[in-house]
Amino acid sequence: DTAVSQTPKYLVTQMGNDKSIKCEQNLGHDTMYWYKQDSKKFLKIMFSYNNKELIINETVPNRFSPKSPDKAHLNLHINSLELGDSAVYFCASRRGQGNQPQHFGDGTRLSIL
Amino acid sequence: AQSVTQPDIHITVSEGASLELRCNYSYGATPYLFWYVQSPGQGLQLLLKYFSGDTLVQGIKGFEAEFKRSQSSFNLRKPSVHWSDAAEYFCAVGLYNNNDMRFGAGTRLTVKP
Repeated sequence: DTAVSQTPKYLVTQMGNDKSIKCEQNLGHDTMYWYKQDSKKFLKIMFSYNNKELIINETVPNRFSPKSPDKAHLNLHINSLELGDSAVYFCASRRGQGNQPQHFGDGTRLSIL
Repeated sequence: AQSVTQPDIHITVSEGASLELRCNYSYGATPYLFWYVQSPGQGLQLLLKYFSGDTLVQGIKGFEAEFKRSQSSFNLRKPSVHWSDAAEYFCAVGLYNNNDMRFGAGTRLTVKP
């Protein structure tokens, strides 16, 4: 009964390729997020969707494109992968705003060769 | 803009010793405050949260945190650390009526036998 699930867990690919990471939550939450965690464990917000609408779009290369087909899904597509994209990507969701905690997936470790 | 500072990058304590992890926030209003724990290869798990009321909040796994408005702090404590507490700990701040959440840089906890 995984609450926030991401696939794949590991992704190894070559520079220049295009890849997608999928995220699904079964908590009935209306807000979903993508974070990037670098090798120093720093967690940086990338995008946030509320009811399928983009509400946070941090300074992220436009090679990264989120897509939310419905409230329960937020996928991340990355074009022309670069070495610097190697990181762990976390999906999260929460109900409402401000005072509600986020629930995280287990992460997708992306390695660029 | 709100920010979260965790002054200690890495802390080592002996098993059975007490623990305090520091967190300071910067925001004009009272934020919503959270502590998360990340075990190796896992996503972030909520330990506890503070919205209002009693400034000492209890969380899971024997953790507690105290909100001190005068010091803009929300330090995490545990009276007796177990080896399984070794992990990365993140302090986070959320805002009222806002979907954003900001994380500190994290504190890595090592537990010595």
